[in-house]
Amino acid sequence: AQKITQTQPGMFVQEKEAVTLDCTYDTSDPSYGLFWYKQPSSGEMIFLIYQGSYDQQNATEGRYSLNFQKARKSANLVISASQLGDSAMYFCAMREENTGNQFYFGTGTSLTVIP
Amino acid sequence: EPEVTQTPSHQVTQMGQEVILRCVPISNHLYFYWYRQILGQKVEFLVSFYNNEISEKSEIFDDQFSVERPDGSNFTLKIRSTKLEDSAMYFCASSDGDRGFGETQYFGPGTRLLVL
Repeated sequence: AQKITQTQPGMFVQEKEAVTLDCTYDTSDPSYGLFWYKQPSSGEMIFLIYQGSYDQQNATEGRYSLNFQKARKSANLVISASQLGDSAMYFCAMREENTGNQFYFGTGTSLTVIP
Repeated sequence: EPEVTQTPSHQVTQMGQEVILRCVPISNHLYFYWYRQILGQKVEFLVSFYNNEISEKSEIFDDQFSVERPDGSNFTLKIRSTKLEDSAMYFCASSDGDRGFGETQYFGPGTRLLVL
């Protein structure tokens, strides 16, 4: 089974609107961290936001927030007030406490912001 | 802001040749990683390195791969005899290692390797 599932290969959003990128995860480890990365066309991987499995509140970082629904095992990224520079691939990743320090990545969502 | 750097940004090599990809992790970080991303696919873990030894590796990281920290700053990935299927973007990452599952890994800009 896939540890991280991103079901939206591509998404479009109007500039200044909000968009939600979906991520579901699969783990039996009670301790885990969830991460979102942005990959622009230039290729680098930019860390955006982190949510820990024991965090009571949803993480926020500027225009990025994470809609963490633990019972549903989902960790959706919400980007508010989209900008043209947000056009990129977005990857959800997970690290489990008991399976070492590797990150498991999803297949990514390509976001295009339309002017 | 400190960042992970990688050289070269692009490398083209002939099948069967050895390549060395170089990384300079963030200076106070203790854990180092290599990942790869075949074009259009997800990022895959190769290996992690701590205290001058491999701490874990994936099944992709077979005998043709090796890693080394030759000095206090560089971290290298060597592919001994490249194959066509080694063509990918290779990312180096580092973390400070003191937050367990919550520690963020910071990625370099990648080296795009093309094997002909």
